[in-house]
Amino acid sequence: EPEVTQTPSHQVTQMGQEVILRCVPISNHLYFYWYRQILGQKVEFLVSFYNNEISEKSEIFDDQFSVERPDGSNFTLKIRSTKLEDSAMYFCASRRVTNEKLFFGSGTQLSVL
Amino acid sequence: AQSVTQLGSHVSVSEGALVLLRCNYSSSVPPYLFWYVQYPNQGLQLLLKYTTGATLVKGINGFEAEFKKSETSFHLTKPSAHMSDAAEYFCAVSDHGYQKVTFGIGTKLQVIP
Repeated sequence: EPEVTQTPSHQVTQMGQEVILRCVPISNHLYFYWYRQILGQKVEFLVSFYNNEISEKSEIFDDQFSVERPDGSNFTLKIRSTKLEDSAMYFCASRRVTNEKLFFGSGTQLSVL
Repeated sequence: AQSVTQLGSHVSVSEGALVLLRCNYSSSVPPYLFWYVQYPNQGLQLLLKYTTGATLVKGINGFEAEFKKSETSFHLTKPSAHMSDAAEYFCAVSDHGYQKVTFGIGTKLQVIP
């Protein structure tokens, strides 16, 4: 089965630093998503992206967050100035069309110190 | 707004016993419902989904779930638990637009030999 690939699997950063989490969605997919899961809590929607623009975002996705699809294969999540509370597992997901299942990556564990 | 409630953050069953993980949903429109499984240090994997049609849905690894509109429930069952079923299970809901999937808080399943 095709896979969504996320790198790195673990990222440690200092508070206030910028981080970029990278995802390579499945090649013929058109809809892209970021979710996060703080330890012990539920998986939360952050943002959806289609046709090179954000289609929906949650209240978590404030001005510190941005997404980009820079080259037609990568899909990145940038956190401009990390906070301690940004520590979480971040999942990228993609789908080909809206009525098909989401494929999730294995996640990037972000630790902000 | 849509939401799901998973009853029981931890469930323990004996190997060979019935697995029953409960999920109730709230939705103002006919929902799409999902169960995802997360094994340790891995991403989210779709077990099964209900969109329309048959209300009893069969998924991978012997799991099934029944959509009961009158009870607003989508409980996950497996007749006989296996050690490899130990994982965290997430119920989720989306509308037919599919732009956002809302997850429950998760249920950790422990299988006792």
